[in-house]
Amino acid sequence: EIVMTQSPATLSVSPGGRATLSCRASQSVNGNLAWYQQKPGQAPRLLIYGASTRATGIPARFSGSGSGTEFTLTISSLQSEDFAIYYCQQYYIWYTFGQGTKLEIK
Amino acid sequence: QVQLQESGPGLVKPSETLSLTCSVSGASVSSDFWSWIRQPPGKGLEWLGYLYNGGSAKYDPSLKSRVTISVDTSKNQFSLKLSSVTVADTAVYYCARGSTSLWFGEWWGQGTLVTVSS
Repeated sequence: EIVMTQSPATLSVSPGGRATLSCRASQSVNGNLAWYQQKPGQAPRLLIYGASTRATGIPARFSGSGSGTEFTLTISSLQSEDFAIYYCQQYYIWYTFGQGTKLEIK
Repeated sequence: QVQLQESGPGLVKPSETLSLTCSVSGASVSSDFWSWIRQPPGKGLEWLGYLYNGGSAKYDPSLKSRVTISVDTSKNQFSLKLSSVTVADTAVYYCARGSTSLWFGEWWGQGTLVTVSS
């Protein structure tokens, strides 16, 4: 099983600031990596797939990068609605998720 | 717009079988890849399996012996059965759609909480 490790567990950033979230895979997943946003009581929402392609309707302030085992989700100019939990998911060998990073208001 | 809606009992007794249905509109369950994912309270996401080709299924190896995913194309629904449940199976269960076997969830249901308790 490919284990996905996200860091940090919690990230505190001020509105208008920039957030950088990391996701590491226990082995290479090539570019088969997705990012999701989840708010309390809601289903996950797809943000990024293919490590860097934004899903339909996702604002340009969300960007993904990386390949192999190291991936990053960057959110520039944080809006109030961006404070949530973010998960990465690999789909190279089976399908596994990271444990999440909680993005909170500083 | 694709919409998914989970339904089923919110309470299941230990050792019994959990059964949920996902009703789909805006797409056909005869194509694409239709998954079940769960999330224990306060924890992360776990993929359970998916339906594809309108009737075939693939399951997570760790749960394969307990999970069955089936389809009812006449109702445009697909279902999850998880046998021999324990309290560890208490979770919000989501159904979700992906376009290919390189599966990621493009569309999700709102989720339904299933509690395993006597």
